[in-house]
Amino acid sequence: GAGVSQSPSNKVTEKGKDVELRCDPISGHTALYWYRQRLGQGLEFLIYFQGNSAPDKSGLPSDRFSAERTGESVSTLTIQRTQQEDSAVYLCASSLDGAKRGQYFGPGTRLTVL
Amino acid sequence: AQSVTQLDSQVPVFEEAPVELRCNYSSSVSVYLFWYVQYPNQGLQLLLKYLSGSTLVESINGFEAEFNKSQTSFHLRKPSVHISDTAEYFCAVSDLDRINNFGNEKLTFGTGTRLTIIP
Repeated sequence: GAGVSQSPSNKVTEKGKDVELRCDPISGHTALYWYRQRLGQGLEFLIYFQGNSAPDKSGLPSDRFSAERTGESVSTLTIQRTQQEDSAVYLCASSLDGAKRGQYFGPGTRLTVL
Repeated sequence: AQSVTQLDSQVPVFEEAPVELRCNYSSSVSVYLFWYVQYPNQGLQLLLKYLSGSTLVESINGFEAEFNKSQTSFHLRKPSVHISDTAEYFCAVSDLDRINNFGNEKLTFGTGTRLTIIP
């Protein structure tokens, strides 16, 4: 079946512009995660959605970052007024009902802020 | 907060030789432990996981990892590597510091170990 998909695969933007990154999770997966991977570093947790519960936003680095999820489907990560330090690969993952089942990762969106 | 240490950023190994990729995590009462693999130009994939029970867990492609609570480690091993094992390997931990059905669902990842197989 279809895996987690993300769009765009690459995004180049100018400092100060807003960007939107999209994630389509595996159908039926109630949990959805966003991570950031800077060059040469591990994955950094950003936000976690579980069903209709309030999202865990504890990993968002600043108020320029926000994310939404429509029900148990598509999620959008928005970065406002992008800065050069936002350059990274943004990874989305989904899971059937939590981390212990294993998370299925999308291919990521490579964001470059000039 | 939980932290995960992968001391080796790169590990070169000759083909058919054994390998161990090290992973240590900061102490917690209970944890779930995972190894993820990222093959060249592909996304992250779950390799194996420890949730409870037997401390030795295995993957379908010959890797195994052992949960050692006293040493807070979850090292990944394979007795004989192949060229196809070339990839980056990430250790991850989800600690259960909240009492609910799912616990703390954030995965804390290590910085990764790049395994290079030498023909």
